[in-house]
Amino acid sequence: QKEVEQDPGPLSVPEGAIVSLNCTYSNSAFQYFMWYRQYSRKGPELLMYTYSSGNKEDGRFTAQVDKSSKYISLFIRDSQPSDSATYLCAMSRSGNTPLVFGKGTRLSVIA
Amino acid sequence: EAGVVQSPRYKIIEKKQPVAFWCNPISGHNTLYWYLQNLGQGPELLIRYENEEAVDDSQLPKDRFSAERLKGVDSTLKIQPAELGDSAVYLCASSLAGYNEQFFGPGTRLTVL
Repeated sequence: QKEVEQDPGPLSVPEGAIVSLNCTYSNSAFQYFMWYRQYSRKGPELLMYTYSSGNKEDGRFTAQVDKSSKYISLFIRDSQPSDSATYLCAMSRSGNTPLVFGKGTRLSVIA
Repeated sequence: EAGVVQSPRYKIIEKKQPVAFWCNPISGHNTLYWYLQNLGQGPELLIRYENEEAVDDSQLPKDRFSAERLKGVDSTLKIQPAELGDSAVYLCASSLAGYNEQFFGPGTRLTVL
């Protein structure tokens, strides 16, 4: 079993839909949780960063962390075609430690 | 502020040839990472530098891979000799000391024929 599991999709939704992306993990030592967006042939771009459990909102994006269930989510409201990309979850134990990534979920938002 | 710069963006070589990748991190970022990303997978760490010191290189295949970060700024990752299985994207990232937020460059896409 990998430390971080993420459904690779692909996931296809109509424009304006609410998108839910999820990851589960097995290492209870993880405390820092991130979501990256990666467009084709580009490097990952940091979208959301959360510490420990709880919610964080930034515009149309909401990140949730449930450490008791070892489960994190990213919600995208009012999805746009420009949101079409691969979304990678990543997590680490402490500051400056390497990130452990999921495989990424490929999302397509259809106009 | 400029982001992480990597070159070349693309490289095609024959197997058994050497290849080198270059990374310039965000100004002021002490920590530099090299990741490997295979198709359909998330990035996996190869090596992490704190200033000039390689503090985590347990995943670097040392028989053929080497890296250096002279003067604690730019870094070079080398493969010699390259194998077919080395075809992948090599990503460089940097962060401030003590912070988890890592910022990635565009990557170098290597194809070994």
